[in-house]
Amino acid sequence: NAGVMQNPRHLVRRRGQEARLRCSPMKGHSHVYWYRQLPEEGLKFMVYLQKENIIDESGMPKERFSAEFPKEGPSILRIQQVVRGDSAAYFCASSPLWGARTEAFFGQGTRLTVV
Amino acid sequence: QQQVKQSPQSLIVQKGGISIINCAYENTAFDYFPWYQQFPGKGPALLIAIRPDVSEKKEGRFTISFNKSAKQFSLHIMDSQPGDSATYFCAASGDSGSRLTFGEGTQLTVNP
Repeated sequence: NAGVMQNPRHLVRRRGQEARLRCSPMKGHSHVYWYRQLPEEGLKFMVYLQKENIIDESGMPKERFSAEFPKEGPSILRIQQVVRGDSAAYFCASSPLWGARTEAFFGQGTRLTVV
Repeated sequence: QQQVKQSPQSLIVQKGGISIINCAYENTAFDYFPWYQQFPGKGPALLIAIRPDVSEKKEGRFTISFNKSAKQFSLHIMDSQPGDSATYFCAASGDSGSRLTFGEGTQLTVNP
């Protein structure tokens, strides 16, 4: 049973470009969470999605950031017009359909560097 | 308040010693308190978790102590080993589904 798969593992973008991060949850999991980890800091919640629905995006910056979890395919975190301050590790986590407050399994993360 | 405060920021212990990391929270709606271990370049991995209906949970060398009235919980690593050297995060969730609020992390170094 494969774990949470994130790709790419490393992504380098120039300022002003778009970054697209992908996350495939564990099999049978329909809840996806995105977190951002700045250097030397803890993880900060960004957005919580279920299939085709954004449930909680209270942690998302108001501009340039968007997320989706389509009926088919991986969840996508999109950052438009990246700036140096977007450089961070972005982690996706998934949890199973049944019930909240269950274990969240994390992927290996995507390390975004904006040059 | 959604914050979880974690201390110390860094910790150095000798092999065989006890590592203790503390966390405090404010939101009384939190009802699930996991600890995550993260190695460099890797994602966080669940180590152990506790719910507020118990005051202590032990799994191998790892123990969580939970004080509901003080809104504090701690991780104890007994017989610490160099392989335990990692960053440890406490977290909490409850009123927002499985959304986790993380502490700032503790970088643990266990010297041989």
